Amino acid sequence: AQKITQTQPGMFVQEKEAVTLDCTYDTSDPSYGLFWYKQPSSGEMIFLIYQGSYDQQNATEGRYSLNFQKARKSANLVISASQLGDSAMYFCAMREQGGGNKLTFGTGTQLKVEL
Amino acid sequence: NAGVTQTPKFRVLKTGQSMTLLCAQDMNHEYMYWYRQDPGMGLRLIHYSVGEGTTAKGEVPDGYNVSRLKKQNFLLGLESAAPSQTSVYFCASKSFTGATNQPQHFGDGTRLSIL
Repeated sequence: AQKITQTQPGMFVQEKEAVTLDCTYDTSDPSYGLFWYKQPSSGEMIFLIYQGSYDQQNATEGRYSLNFQKARKSANLVISASQLGDSAMYFCAMREQGGGNKLTFGTGTQLKVEL
Repeated sequence: NAGVTQTPKFRVLKTGQSMTLLCAQDMNHEYMYWYRQDPGMGLRLIHYSVGEGTTAKGEVPDGYNVSRLKKQNFLLGLESAAPSQTSVYFCASKSFTGATNQPQHFGDGTRLSIL
């Protein structure tokens, strides 16, 4: 069974600093995809970034980047130059094996950006 | 663009009552999903559909039924609501075609309380 683990229930970071949110996964499928979503206090799920298992380079999207270490089965999200608006819950998810492009989600990390 | 629209946004039910949550997407997506989000547990897949007229069980299907009579709509039904079904429900959709990095697009959620 596939599994996603986010070990940090809560994180604090000072404005303008960088922060890393951890995500480890477990799968026997050589082909998989990893997604990060942001959920602000308003509740919606916002897609941030994607990493494919065969991608040669770590994904980047603006201030978001993935530290993808395939051998360690980790896909940590790095947010650079944190802003107050980055305060939110962050979820790591993995595309499951089999049909339907289903996602398995981690339990999330609550990030608080402080002045 | 509306994207994924969930109706209603909030609902309070009494134990034993029934109701249907409606999800509508205007992106012509083939795949649709229903998740529930509970504190400390991330999002868990209830049911999903890979196309009009098809549905399949997810991780936590008990107590729920779904229907996909039209491509753009995915209905989630609770036949006899129980307090354990108090949760926030999210609908999502995804295109079948396109690159594997295409994410699921989420609605804003329905907050359901069962008394």
